[in-house]
Amino acid sequence: AQTVTQSQPEMSVQEAETVTLSCTYDTSENNYYLFWYKQPPSRQMILVIRQEAYKQQNATENRFSVNFQKAAKSFSLKISDSQLGDTAMYFCAFMIGGGADGLTFGKGTHLIIQP
Amino acid sequence: ETGVTQSPTHLIKTRGQQVTLRCSSQSGHNTVSWYQQALGQGPQFIFQYYREEENGRGNFPPRFSGLQFPNYSSELNVNALELDDSALYLCASSWKTGEGNTIYFGEGSWLTVV
Repeated sequence: AQTVTQSQPEMSVQEAETVTLSCTYDTSENNYYLFWYKQPPSRQMILVIRQEAYKQQNATENRFSVNFQKAAKSFSLKISDSQLGDTAMYFCAFMIGGGADGLTFGKGTHLIIQP
Repeated sequence: ETGVTQSPTHLIKTRGQQVTLRCSSQSGHNTVSWYQQALGQGPQFIFQYYREEENGRGNFPPRFSGLQFPNYSSELNVNALELDDSALYLCASSWKTGEGNTIYFGEGSWLTVV
């Protein structure tokens, strides 16, 4: 079974700072995908960024980037120039290629951006 | 807006009752999955439907069942409700299962069992 661990229950940074959220996972699979989802108070899960395990290049989406260390099974999310609207729960998630097992989520990190 | 809509938004049921939650997937998506998110936890995968057939299931008992219709909308049914079933139920849709395709979530249905 796959597991996803997020070791930071809560983080708080000042607006415009850079913050890194940690995620580690455990799997014996070779074909898989990793995701970061944001869940604001509205509770709707919003995809922030995704990474294919077979790609060595780290994914980037505007202010969001990941540091994917496959050998270490680590998948951290870096948010640059943080904004008040970034305040939310952030979940790291894992999916085996094929997708029939759905997404496996971590417990989440509550990120608070202070003005 | 993800194009995934769920109903009802909130509901309260009594222990032992049955509940049906509904989901309309994003246009063109043929895969629907359901997740249970307890307070303070990450979502847990319940099951997934692809072209009207269940093709994946998480660690949930048989009293959690579902359907997918020809228009790819879906239902989640829970029988013999227990207090621990109180949670946010999220529906998600995607085009084809697997391949890391983007999965879009609805806003969820809050179920309270008393």
